[in-house]
Amino acid sequence: QKEVEQNSGPLSVPEGAIASLNCTYSDRGSQSFFWYRQYSGKSPELIMFIYSNGDKEDGRFTAQLNKASQYVSLLIRDSQPSDSATYLCAVNGDSNYQLIWGAGTKLIIKP
Amino acid sequence: DAGVIQSPRHEVTEMGQEVTLRCKPISGHDYLFWYRQTMMRGLELLIYFNNNVPIDDSGMPEDRFSAKMPNASFSTLKIQPSEPRDSAVYFCASSSRPNSPLHFGNGTRLTVT
Repeated sequence: QKEVEQNSGPLSVPEGAIASLNCTYSDRGSQSFFWYRQYSGKSPELIMFIYSNGDKEDGRFTAQLNKASQYVSLLIRDSQPSDSATYLCAVNGDSNYQLIWGAGTKLIIKP
Repeated sequence: DAGVIQSPRHEVTEMGQEVTLRCKPISGHDYLFWYRQTMMRGLELLIYFNNNVPIDDSGMPEDRFSAKMPNASFSTLKIQPSEPRDSAVYFCASSSRPNSPLHFGNGTRLTVT
């Protein structure tokens, strides 16, 4: 059973600090990794995707992938109260068309 | 550019009634996915289509659930008869190619009493 694990939280971070969200996955053959943000009562929206080992930066967001250790992380710099949401990690499964989803980490940014 | 459009946004029905959820994917997206989200089980893939053809329906909970995609711009998810345990948020999502990100609709919140 392929799995994606996330700490459910809540993770509480002061405004302006760096929020670090982590995700581990069980399938060593996984190729695609996605971070989605979901506000309460809303649909998931894509934040970052990464395919290669290393870091990928987009504004205040950085995705980090380490295939050897089978983890992917999301860093949010200069955290804002508007970043408060649940962050979902998704990893491709048996086929390129299916994603295995983590349960999500609830992030709270305290003003 | 319009995103994925789902209707209705909310549906409240009584146990035993038929429920039909609708989805219009992003134009040009060849892959369409139906997901269900609950607090207990998170996001679950129910079924996905490629070029209007159902590829994998192993996530459909039981025969009460059925999905169709008669053309590239429309899909339905039907539950007949509905049960209280079907209460959840149902999302439709589309993507342009394998391994590309999913674009989600706003979801349909279904309540079966």
